[in-house]
Amino acid sequence: GENVEQHPSTLSVQEGDSAVIKCTYSDSASNYFPWYKQELGKRPQLIIDIRSNVGEKKDQRIAVTLNKTAKHFSLHITETQPEDSAVYFCAAKIPGGNQFYFGTGTSLTVIP
Amino acid sequence: EADIYQTPRYLVIGTGKKITLECSQTMGHDKMYWYQQDPGMELHLIHYSYGVNSTEKGDLSSESTVSRIRTEHFPLTLESARPSHTSQYLCASRTQNANTGELFFGEGSRLTVL
Repeated sequence: GENVEQHPSTLSVQEGDSAVIKCTYSDSASNYFPWYKQELGKRPQLIIDIRSNVGEKKDQRIAVTLNKTAKHFSLHITETQPEDSAVYFCAAKIPGGNQFYFGTGTSLTVIP
Repeated sequence: EADIYQTPRYLVIGTGKKITLECSQTMGHDKMYWYQQDPGMELHLIHYSYGVNSTEKGDLSSESTVSRIRTEHFPLTLESARPSHTSQYLCASRTQNANTGELFFGEGSRLTVL
């Protein structure tokens, strides 16, 4: 099955700096890569996703890049704010499958 | 309001008790999932269902069972709770639509087994 690895496990940045979280996947058939944000004590929520037919997607301060050849994808957060502090999970999904394969999570702390 | 609901939110029980965690969604989603998550840690898939009367085990064997008799309802049952079952349980659902992969999560049920 698919295996998703996520790095780093913890990340601290100064407010206003950028944060980058990286994930790798093992199954080249995977074609859908969502990112979820989970604030302390809250449920995970989708913040951005990318499909394998595009290399980059942006939504305001967040962006995701995908390198299919290297089988890795990254989340980029620019101009970080304290409310960006949360645990972020990447995931991969194989077409036709029902399962999402999640990374182990990155705890991001934005220091004011 | 369309959402996914879990009850109870918090539960403290003794070892050996049988419990059922309830999950209901009002979005008409075909696919539903149960994940186990220690606070801030990775999500472990326990069970999933892609429609009525269909259930599959995930990667984590948690000695639990599920049923899917109605589209909107996907309860999780622990026949005999143990302290190792202490965790948060998250229910999620998504549409059958191939163009939309978003998982909608419930607020979770936090279980403590003494």
